Amino acid sequence: DIQMTQSPSSLVASVGDRVTITCRASRSITRYVHWYQQKPGKVPNLLIYGTSNLQSGVPSRFSGSGSGTDFTLTISSVQPEDFATYFCQQSYSTLYSFGQGTKLEIK
Amino acid sequence: QVHLVQSGGEVKKPGASVKVSCKASGYSFTSYCISWVRQAPGQGLEWMGWIGPNSGNTNYEYKFRGRITLTTDASTSTAYMELVSLESDDTAVYYCAKDYYDCSGGFDSWGQGTQVTVSS
Repeated sequence: DIQMTQSPSSLVASVGDRVTITCRASRSITRYVHWYQQKPGKVPNLLIYGTSNLQSGVPSRFSGSGSGTDFTLTISSVQPEDFATYFCQQSYSTLYSFGQGTKLEIK
Repeated sequence: QVHLVQSGGEVKKPGASVKVSCKASGYSFTSYCISWVRQAPGQGLEWMGWIGPNSGNTNYEYKFRGRITLTTDASTSTAYMELVSLESDDTAVYYCAKDYYDCSGGFDSWGQGTQVTVSS
């Protein structure tokens, strides 16, 4: 199995801040990483697929990068509606797995 | 527009089984894999397995093997997840999710979730 380790597990930021969330895979997964946003009581929403491809309808302040084992999700200027929990997920292996999540909270 | 509509919540006793349905519309059902993901109260997302509706191929996370069966009915564009020998730790919201491309493993559409509660 491939383990996905996210950091930090929680993050406090102000509106307008630049925020970076990191995901590290237990072995190389090339670029098969996807990022989701989930708000309380809601269904997860795909933000980024294939490491850096912005899903349709997702604001351009979200971006993804990385390769191999280390990947990042960046929000260039956090907006009030961005306070949520973020998950990375790998699909390099046929046994998929998620990171444990990063909760982004408002300062 | 893609829609995945899941069956309603279930309350089960330990040792029982549950079968959750996921009816798809708005796309070619047999062209994209479907995964099942669960989320226990206050916890993260846990991938359970995927099925290719065209091939019927499946793959299950190790911890669920022997307890989970994923099936599809192409005639009704419906996917099913059956989990047997339920324990209290299986209490969670269960989601079906469609791959964004073929069987790529990233999920661009999700069902609304089905609450499964296991309690004596």
